[in-house]
Amino acid sequence: NAGVMQNPRHLVRRRGQEARLRCSPMKGHSHVYWYRQLPEEGLKFMVYLQKENIIDESGMPKERFSAEFPKEGPSILRIQQVVRGDSAAYFCASSPGRQWPQHFGDGTRLSIL
Amino acid sequence: ILNVEQSPQSLHVQEGDSTNFTCSFPSSNFYALHWYRWETAKSPEALFVMTLNGDEKKKGRISATLNTKEGYSYLYIKGSQPEDSATYLCAFSNTGNQFYFGTGTSLTVIP
Repeated sequence: NAGVMQNPRHLVRRRGQEARLRCSPMKGHSHVYWYRQLPEEGLKFMVYLQKENIIDESGMPKERFSAEFPKEGPSILRIQQVVRGDSAAYFCASSPGRQWPQHFGDGTRLSIL
Repeated sequence: ILNVEQSPQSLHVQEGDSTNFTCSFPSSNFYALHWYRWETAKSPEALFVMTLNGDEKKKGRISATLNTKEGYSYLYIKGSQPEDSATYLCAFSNTGNQFYFGTGTSLTVIP
């Protein structure tokens, strides 16, 4: 059973471009969570999704950031018009339900030039 | 933004020593408390999820307790081994569907 798959592992973008980060949850997991780790900081909750629904996006910046988890395909975290401050590691996790442990992917390291 | 605090920030122990760390979280609107182990260059690995006041969980030499009324959880490692060296994270989940991670306790076990 494959774990949580995130791609790409590393992503380099120039300021003003768009970044799309993908997360395929573990088989059977319908709950997906995105976290951001800024340099020298801990994991910060961004958004919690269930298939086709955003459950909570209170940790996500209101502008330029969006997330989706369509019926088919991976969850996508999209950052438009990236700025230097978006440089971070973005982790995705999945679980069968909210009271279950979360299984993490290896993260996507986003670097903004 | 809610505060989840972990102490100590870092810890060095000798192989064979037992150790424990603390996670403090808000006592209101509690839903669940998670513990994760995060080794360098890997992704966080789930240890426990606890939901009930007084819960105690055990996995090998690692155990955890939960007090939701006063807002703390302890993680214990008995007879530490070098492979236990990692950062141990706790995450508080409230009834509002958010998850708040502490900054972790970095454990180094010296052979």
